[in-house]
Amino acid sequence: GQSLEQPSEVTAVEGAIVQINCTYQTSGFYGLSWYQQHDGGAPTFLSYNALDGLEETGRFSSFLSRSDSYGYLLLQELQMKDSASYFCASLLYNQGGKLIFGQGTELSVKP
Amino acid sequence: DADVTQTPRNRITKTGKRIMLECSQTKGHDRMYWYRQDPGLGLRLIYYSFDVKDINKGEISDGYSVSRQAQAKFSLSLESAIPNQTALYFCATSDSGGRTDTQYFGPGTRLTVL
Repeated sequence: GQSLEQPSEVTAVEGAIVQINCTYQTSGFYGLSWYQQHDGGAPTFLSYNALDGLEETGRFSSFLSRSDSYGYLLLQELQMKDSASYFCASLLYNQGGKLIFGQGTELSVKP
Repeated sequence: DADVTQTPRNRITKTGKRIMLECSQTKGHDRMYWYRQDPGLGLRLIYYSFDVKDINKGEISDGYSVSRQAQAKFSLSLESAIPNQTALYFCATSDSGGRTDTQYFGPGTRLTVL
């Protein structure tokens, strides 16, 4: 079957660094995406890794290790507005642009 | 104006009623998707369409049907709504020519079935 595992909740303080892990078991894996969702609003795209290694976009970075079926999202210099749910999603090459989402990690940033 | 719109934004209905949720996009994307979101279960794919003539079932298509009326419009129907279809429904689009296949989501429709 297809599955992605990520922690359900993470708490951190403002200004800190937090890492949200994602392990996946998906056939036809092509790449790993990350999405952010605030309070039941529209999920928005954050980053995508097709190759092993680190992708950096401002305060956010994402990492992928295909051999370990593992990735993470790293958020630096945390701000209160980063409190949200974060989803990893596996892109499947044998099904075009189909995404399988993890269950989401709710990040709470405390002052 | 929003690139991906959904109507209605909220709907309360009764068991057994037929419901249609509509999605329109101005992004010019060829691919469209319907997801449902339940607390603690993330986003689950109901149906997806890679072009007007291509419709595919997702993980949880039972009890749902779709229609791709045009490249810009993709509707989701619940033929006979039941309470466990109470959820937040999202439409999304993507461009087949994109490198990352980024999906762009609409604002969601909150559906309650009594």
